[in-house]
Amino acid sequence: KQEVTQIPAALSVPEGENLVLNCSFTDSAIYNLQWFRQDPGKGLTSLLLIQSSQREQTSGRLNASLDKSSGRSTLYIAASQPGDSATYLCAGINAGKSTFGDGTTLTVKP
Amino acid sequence: EAGVAQSPRYKIIEKRQSVAFWCNPISGHATLYWYQQILGQGPKLLIQFQNNGVVDDSQLPKDRFSAERLKGVDSTLKIQPAKLEDSAVYLCASSPSVDSEAFFGQGTRLTVV
Repeated sequence: KQEVTQIPAALSVPEGENLVLNCSFTDSAIYNLQWFRQDPGKGLTSLLLIQSSQREQTSGRLNASLDKSSGRSTLYIAASQPGDSATYLCAGINAGKSTFGDGTTLTVKP
Repeated sequence: EAGVAQSPRYKIIEKRQSVAFWCNPISGHATLYWYQQILGQGPKLLIQFQNNGVVDDSQLPKDRFSAERLKGVDSTLKIQPAKLEDSAVYLCASSPSVDSEAFFGQGTRLTVV
């Protein structure tokens, strides 16, 4: 059974810092790894999707990496801004089923 | 392109009552998912449809939860009777096919009192 863990559960940084969010999964037979952002009271917004044949994906200030052999993915956020404050969730996808971590709640202080 | 539409956005009911949620996926998306997200946790899959067929409902509490996608487009999720522990956000998602990128709706926040 796939289990996904995100550490830390919460993170507070000053504006402008670079930061890394961690995601680990127990079953390396994932097909894709997807990172989401969730604002309070809102649904999930897809940030990056890494397919199993890829090692990383980039979108603007975001870079996500995937290491299936170690069961880890990281989301790197460069030059953080207060608007980045949200909960970030990762999900391992296999046979169409997504297994989510419980998220990291990020607060970026002005 | 229109996103995944869900209604209602909020619902408050008393325990033992019934409730239904509606989801309209992105046009052309064959795969539809219902997730339950309890406060402070990540979403957990309840049921997955491929067109109008159920692919996975192993985590659906079938004694009280039911879902259908009769015409392979929109879907309804029903809870009858509701319990206090059913208080959560119910998220609908769709994707063009299995293992492709999933897109989520805004969710329905259910409070059972």
